Amino acid sequence: EVQLLESGGHSVHPGGSLRVSCVVSGFTFNDYVMGWVRQAPGKELEWVSDISGSGGSTNYADSVKGRFTISRDNSKNTVFLQMDSLRVEDTAVYYCARSGDQLCLGGKCYPRFFDHWGQGTLVSVSS
Amino acid sequence: QPALTQSPSASASLGASVTLTCTLSSGHTTYSVAWHQQRPEKGPRYLMKIVSDGSHDKGDGVPDRFSGSASGADRYLSISNLQSEDEADYYCQTWGNGPGTVVFGGGTKLTVL
Repeated sequence: EVQLLESGGHSVHPGGSLRVSCVVSGFTFNDYVMGWVRQAPGKELEWVSDISGSGGSTNYADSVKGRFTISRDNSKNTVFLQMDSLRVEDTAVYYCARSGDQLCLGGKCYPRFFDHWGQGTLVSVSS
Repeated sequence: QPALTQSPSASASLGASVTLTCTLSSGHTTYSVAWHQQRPEKGPRYLMKIVSDGSHDKGDGVPDRFSGSASGADRYLSISNLQSEDEADYYCQTWGNGPGTVVFGGGTKLTVL
């Protein structure tokens, strides 16, 4: 059974940093692109970032580019999202998701649709 | 970059059928779409992927009551014999051919009367 379990969500002040993690099981982790998707209170889902199976290719939404860093440890079946310079508008539930398929171009791989999701971890940024 | 449009809300009676629509933006009408269900206070659950010809692949354990289809720029999620547990937000998602092209629709809140 595929499982994704996020942790690390917390309350922080604007300008602060936080790292959230996602431990997975039930599949060969390094075969899959992984992503982070967030949902602000009462809002729709928003793609944040993704990382290829090897970790060699990463992508970010413009809203977080330069502030967030995605990484993975394939030996620990874990994907991370390091969030720096946090803003009030980053307040959201952050979901880890597995891409069910991927598109690889020029040695880089990108997600297609997310076929498994975690339960989410809440990040609250306020003064 | 593609964009997706969904109606904000829909409703239908217990035991009835309902069809939710997700419309792809101009220039992206041949794209595939995935549907996700999000019950209150829960994480999303993948339901199915729908290709432009209407063929679809369902996720693990998705009941037969859920089906998908397509017509032009529209991708449909149909639910028959509505149950109370089908009351949820439904999001469609698509993807382009490169980095940073994963997109979600605004979601449809389905109420089961």
